[in-house]
Amino acid sequence: GENVEQHPSTLSVQEGDSAVIKCTYSDSASNYFPWYKQELGKRPQLIIDIRSNVGEKKDQRIAVTLNKTAKHFSLHITETQPEDSAVYFCAARASGTYKYIFGTGTRLKVLA
Amino acid sequence: DADVTQTPRNRITKTGKRIMLECSQTKGHDRMYWYRQDPGLGLQLIYYSFDVKDINKGEISDGYSVSRQAQAKFSLSLESAIPNQTALYFCATSPGDRQYNEQFFGPGTRLTVL
Repeated sequence: GENVEQHPSTLSVQEGDSAVIKCTYSDSASNYFPWYKQELGKRPQLIIDIRSNVGEKKDQRIAVTLNKTAKHFSLHITETQPEDSAVYFCAARASGTYKYIFGTGTRLKVLA
Repeated sequence: DADVTQTPRNRITKTGKRIMLECSQTKGHDRMYWYRQDPGLGLQLIYYSFDVKDINKGEISDGYSVSRQAQAKFSLSLESAIPNQTALYFCATSPGDRQYNEQFFGPGTRLTVL
């Protein structure tokens, strides 16, 4: 069945360094890939998304890259700050459906 | 502001009890979802609905049922709760008129089954 694998499960970086989280999806029909941030005790919120017809998208310190051939996509956070500490989830949605498959999450800790 | 709300926010119950979790939204969205979150397992889809006449099973629907009473309301029921249904439950919505849709999550319901 459809599956999204996410790595690493935990990531610690020094403030100011970059963080990269990677996801691999199994359904080649997937065409929409959102990333959600969940702060402690809060609800998940969308931070960036990418469509399958685009290879990269950037929004200030956050960027997402997509490799359709390899079926993987990555979240890049540059110049990390303590407020970036949270759990990040990737997800994939197949064309023609409105069902999202989520990765298992990455707990990012930014050390001051 | 338009929002997604869930009631109750916390619930402790006993094995075998029937439980209903409710979700309401004022966003005017057609699509609604119920997810379960367990540590290390991410968000697992239980049920989803395109409109009041459309209900679909997700990855982990066994032991759960849903009701879409209106466009704005989507309820999740546990007919006979068991301890391994202890988890954080999220409702989410998304609009039905665009191809690529952000999901908006409710604040979550923490359920403990003793």
